[in-house]
Amino acid sequence: DGGITQSPKYLFRKEGQNVTLSCEQNLNHDAMYWYRQDPGQGLRLIYYSQIVNDFQKGDIAEGYSVSREKKESFPLTVTSAQKNPTAFYLCASSIQKVSRRESGNTIYFGEGSWLTVV
Amino acid sequence: KQEVTQIPAALSVPEGENLVLNCSFTDSAIYNLQWFRQDPGKGLTSLLLIQSSQREQTSGRLNASLDKSSGRSTLYIAASQPGDSATYLCAVRNRGYGGSQGNLIFGKGTKLSVKP
Repeated sequence: DGGITQSPKYLFRKEGQNVTLSCEQNLNHDAMYWYRQDPGQGLRLIYYSQIVNDFQKGDIAEGYSVSREKKESFPLTVTSAQKNPTAFYLCASSIQKVSRRESGNTIYFGEGSWLTVV
Repeated sequence: KQEVTQIPAALSVPEGENLVLNCSFTDSAIYNLQWFRQDPGKGLTSLLLIQSSQREQTSGRLNASLDKSSGRSTLYIAASQPGDSATYLCAVRNRGYGGSQGNLIFGKGTKLSVKP
């Protein structure tokens, strides 16, 4: 079945550690996204990528890094510079990011990854 | 800056009731608006997508309307069931400028509880 796979589901990070969250999609989507969700809050965009080897900062990129070496993969690294990393992280994809001519298509989400600092 | 607000934050209804969830946004320059469902500890599932040129979309017991000029959308759920219990989020795809163009801006959601 086509979809978005995030791993691990649960991850614990020690102070000063970098951790990487995996996101893989087999939907052949061009655009991929990482969001952060805090309890009772809406989703906030961390990074997004429209094509391979290109990505852009979202609203809360500080303390995070990404790569897009393959179309189907968009891993997120939470670095030690992120002071409050405990949150629920969601990866998403869509056919393409919108341009002035395109109104955009449905966005699909993975099941999320819980990151806790211990 | 685009802001999306959802009212109420939480709603509890008895099974069988028809209900309306509200979403408002401050900037009418949007490409589309999307409604999502989120179960506890899970990802988001897309329910309905309304393009900016459309007025409403329907899927089964769900009907979403869009009034772009007033910055409002409603999600109508008919004959609610306990299985409808979840958090419902709306998001607008922003026209914006530069890097923000095309990005989704989310509301905080409405937590719905349907009691048997």
